[in-house]
Amino acid sequence: AQRVTQPEKLLSVFKGAPVELKCNYSYSGSPELFWYVQYSRQRLQLLLRHISRESIKGFTADLNKGETSFHLKKPFAQEEDSAMYYCALRGFSGNTPLVFGKGTRLSVIA
Amino acid sequence: DAMVIQNPRYQVTQFGKPVTLSCSQTLNHNVMYWYQQKSSQAPKLLFHYYDKDFNNEADTPDNFQSRRPNTSFCFLDIRSPGLGDTAMYLCAARTGGMNTEAFFGQGTRLTVV
Repeated sequence: AQRVTQPEKLLSVFKGAPVELKCNYSYSGSPELFWYVQYSRQRLQLLLRHISRESIKGFTADLNKGETSFHLKKPFAQEEDSAMYYCALRGFSGNTPLVFGKGTRLSVIA
Repeated sequence: DAMVIQNPRYQVTQFGKPVTLSCSQTLNHNVMYWYQQKSSQAPKLLFHYYDKDFNNEADTPDNFQSRRPNTSFCFLDIRSPGLGDTAMYLCAARTGGMNTEAFFGQGTRLTVV
């Protein structure tokens, strides 16, 4: 079974401080992992995916298969980063569902 | 331009009165999803389609049905809504390749009274 765990419901940091949003997963096969973000009054949208190994809006996430984690990090938080962040997992084969964690609300304080 | 469009944005229905939510996509993507999201909770997958293959999650209530008459359109039918079905309903579309992005609609906020 696929499962995504985001242990923090709310994370508050000061502007300029480092951010780490935790995500752990459970999946028996090879996973595809994603971070989605939802800004206030906007639709859910993709932030980044593990396969791309890229930095988006200063955020990065590394897949650690040993620890089954995919934590989202940013060295210096900005006020515009305040949003709801969801970690999501999908199995590697074609017809598998996209499953979300419960989400972490990031609040960046000026 | 919005690529996944959900109608209506807001829907109020009476307890037990059937309701249909619609979703359309201009992406020609072969995978579509319906999620239910209650306040402060994760989006919970109800159904997904891979082309015409329909996949019903094990814990989706029987009260919930879905139709996908063609690639572009997908419907969520709730036959006899209960108060507990009040939620945001999200539709998403994705192309069937690996590591592809799911594009979400704005959602329909359903209130059952």
